[in-house]
Amino acid sequence: AQRVTQPEKLLSVFKGAPVELKCNYSYSGSPELFWYVQYSRQRLQLLLRHISRESIKGFTADLNKGETSFHLKKPFAQEEDSAMYYCALGSRGFQKLVFGTGTRLLVSP
Amino acid sequence: NAGVMQNPRHLVRRRGQEARLRCSPMKGHSHVYWYRQLPEEGLKFMVYLQKENIIDESGMPKERFSAEFPKEGPSILRIQQVVRGDSAAYFCASSIQGGETQYFGPGTRLLVL
Repeated sequence: AQRVTQPEKLLSVFKGAPVELKCNYSYSGSPELFWYVQYSRQRLQLLLRHISRESIKGFTADLNKGETSFHLKKPFAQEEDSAMYYCALGSRGFQKLVFGTGTRLLVSP
Repeated sequence: NAGVMQNPRHLVRRRGQEARLRCSPMKGHSHVYWYRQLPEEGLKFMVYLQKENIIDESGMPKERFSAEFPKEGPSILRIQQVVRGDSAAYFCASSIQGGETQYFGPGTRLLVL
């Protein structure tokens, strides 16, 4: 069964500190992984897709098949990064997404 | 491009009533997905539709829930005889084709009294 685990409900850091949001997945096939972000009062929006290997807003995520992880990282957190972050796994030809429960990132000044 | 539109944004129903949730995909998108988010949980897939076709409804409850995406007009998620456990946020997403990035709407928050 496909599953995504985000072990932290809340991650609180100070501005300028490094950030790592954890995501582990369970999937027997070849995974397609995503990070979505939801800022306050806004809709869910795509932050990263692993195959694109982009860096968006300073965030990066590397797929580690050995550890079945897709952690989201940023070297220096900004206050505007405060949001809810969801890791998602694409399955069945990516026709549906399996989401983790989300991690709320709070960046304090 | 206005993005994925959902209405209503908030819906209150009494037990036993029907709830109809609408989703208009982004312009040019013909693939629609519905997800449900219960309190303190992640989004859970319900159904995937293309125009006039249900492709995957593996996440839909067996009873009371139905979805359609007609040739003209928005996709509709219909919940008959709502119960308190149906209270949740319902999100719609669309993509230009299957396997491509899904873009999400703002969600409809259903409250069943």
